[in-house]
Amino acid sequence: QKEVEQNSGPLSVPEGAIASLNCTYSDRVSQSFFWYRQYSGKSPELIMSIYSNGDKEDGRFTAQLNKASQYVSLLIRDSQPSDSATYLCAVIQGGSEKLVFGKGTKLTVNP
Amino acid sequence: NAGVMQNPRHLVRRRGQEARLRCSPMKGHSHVYWYRQLPEEGLKFMVYLQKENIIDESGMPKERFSAEFPKEGPSILRIQQVVRGDSAAYFCASSLQGYNQPQHFGDGTRLSIL
Repeated sequence: QKEVEQNSGPLSVPEGAIASLNCTYSDRVSQSFFWYRQYSGKSPELIMSIYSNGDKEDGRFTAQLNKASQYVSLLIRDSQPSDSATYLCAVIQGGSEKLVFGKGTKLTVNP
Repeated sequence: NAGVMQNPRHLVRRRGQEARLRCSPMKGHSHVYWYRQLPEEGLKFMVYLQKENIIDESGMPKERFSAEFPKEGPSILRIQQVVRGDSAAYFCASSLQGYNQPQHFGDGTRLSIL
């Protein structure tokens, strides 16, 4: 079973700060990487996808991918209390269409 | 609502009964995936289907679980003779084409076994 590892947290940041979430994966042939946000008791919501090495920015979110290091991260700028949730890193396992999820990092943004 | 639709939202069954979970993909999507989230655990892949075909069922338990996606109608995840350990949130996702495209999730079905 290919694995995706995340720090479980909790990660606590003050409002307005940058939150940095990290993820490593074991499958070297993976090509597609995603970040989902999941509020307690709710479903995962796709917030970012990234396929190439480097940075991808969308509003306050920046995803970073380094395939050589098998590392993907998510930065949240100007964090808001509404960003408080569990963030799930997900990787499509090479040779398949199945998403392999990390266990998630719980983020709390304090007002 | 153009999103992934799952029903019921909550399902209570007694041990030994059958549970039937339904999923209608986003409009235009023909690829459906089922995932299970056990309490305090991560999301785990169960099965990937296209219309009338099971593409990958490597995450499905060998017994009691089955899935289908008929030509007409929603995808169905069926659990026969449920046991307490089946209590979980079951999420359906859909994508436009597969091939590493993003998967969009429904609201899930929370299954509770008495």
